[in-house]
Amino acid sequence: GQNIDQPTEMTATEGAIVQINCTYQTSGFNGLFWYQQHAGEAPTFLSYNVLDGLEEKGRFSSFLSRSKGYSYLLLKELQMKDSASYLCAVSDSNYQLIWGAGTKLIIKP
Amino acid sequence: GAVVSQHPSRVICKSGTSVKIECRSLDFQATTMFWYRQFPKQSLMLMATSNEGSKATYEQGVEKDKFLINHASLTLSTLTVTSAHPEDSSFYICSASYSGTGSSPLHFGNGTRLTVT
Repeated sequence: GQNIDQPTEMTATEGAIVQINCTYQTSGFNGLFWYQQHAGEAPTFLSYNVLDGLEEKGRFSSFLSRSKGYSYLLLKELQMKDSASYLCAVSDSNYQLIWGAGTKLIIKP
Repeated sequence: GAVVSQHPSRVICKSGTSVKIECRSLDFQATTMFWYRQFPKQSLMLMATSNEGSKATYEQGVEKDKFLINHASLTLSTLTVTSAHPEDSSFYICSASYSGTGSSPLHFGNGTRLTVT
């Protein structure tokens, strides 16, 4: 079966760095997405990786290793507004999105 | 950037009535739109994939006669919850992408919180 694993919840301190991991097992691979979702709101797109390596976009970076079925989202200089759920999603061989359950990130002052 | 508009944002209805939710892509043509449902503290659950001009493809366990989807144009898809019951209370979210495939990011509407009393 197809499976996406990410931690349920993480806690970090304002100003620090946090890494949210995502491992996947899917039938085929056509890219991995990270989305941010604040409570009661719809998800917003953060990043897309289809090739191995690190993609940097401001305070957020996303890494992919296809051979390991692994990705992480790195958030730097954490701000209170970064408190949200972070969703990992993989596009499989049929270009269908397989969603992880999301990681709730709690930022403490 | 791509904008997807969803309306209404909140709706309260009585059990047995029907509710229509609209999803519009404002600045691009969306051949494919997706409808999700999300219960509190749970991840997104894909309900159906809506293709312009053809019948929607429903995920297993989703009743197509209860959740009617119409994608009449390249910029509008609607989801109608028929004969709503309290267990249908949830957060419904639509999304669309430029290409309709899983290689371009989805852009989400703001969601509709449905409460059935």
